[in-house]
Amino acid sequence: NAGVTQTPKFRVLKTGQSMTLLCAQDMNHEYMYWYRQDPGMGLRLIHYSVGEGTTAKGEVPDGYNVSRLKKQNFLLGLESAAPSQTSVYFCASIASMSSTDTQYFGPGTRLTVL
Amino acid sequence: ELKVEQNPLFLSMQEGKNYTIYCNYSTTSDRLYWYRQDPGKSLESLFVLLSNGAVKQEGRLMASLDTKARLSTLHITAAVHDLSATYFCAVLRSGTYKYIFGTGTRLKVLA
Repeated sequence: NAGVTQTPKFRVLKTGQSMTLLCAQDMNHEYMYWYRQDPGMGLRLIHYSVGEGTTAKGEVPDGYNVSRLKKQNFLLGLESAAPSQTSVYFCASIASMSSTDTQYFGPGTRLTVL
Repeated sequence: ELKVEQNPLFLSMQEGKNYTIYCNYSTTSDRLYWYRQDPGKSLESLFVLLSNGAVKQEGRLMASLDTKARLSTLHITAAVHDLSATYFCAVLRSGTYKYIFGTGTRLKVLA
């Protein structure tokens, strides 16, 4: 099992450009999450999905869109990148909301917006 | 609004010493998690704490939960250099699927 993978690992964008980050998991997990990590701020939830075909807003959703057309994939889109979106983006998945389950995180995508 | 606060934010300690990291959260939560992150790496799950009085231990790390005080602690016993990392607590907001993370505690263990 590869676990949770993220593509790409690094990316530099110019202001106004668009891009899509791909998260894939091979564990048949139901729930998937996108976070951003900024220095001194921990991880902040952008969007999440509770199953194939569903998406919901997290704490900082503005400027991002998501889609989950297939259970194993969760895509994060930036339609018009801004310097404030410079961050490290982590995807996570969890099998269920069972009390013993925990999130598995991908390796992260480091995004710089110039 | 659910807030999760950790202290200290930075901790530099000598090998062999003991110390505690604190995680306070502002509203009710179904469960609390501790994660470890090495520099430039992803997050690794350490503990899941579910109920008041829960205690879990793994090696030199022990986590506890007091739901009445809305406080979790991560205690480090006889620190070693390999424990140097950033530690995050996170809570699952009650009635939702949302996880809220603390700001993290950057631990540096000096030889």
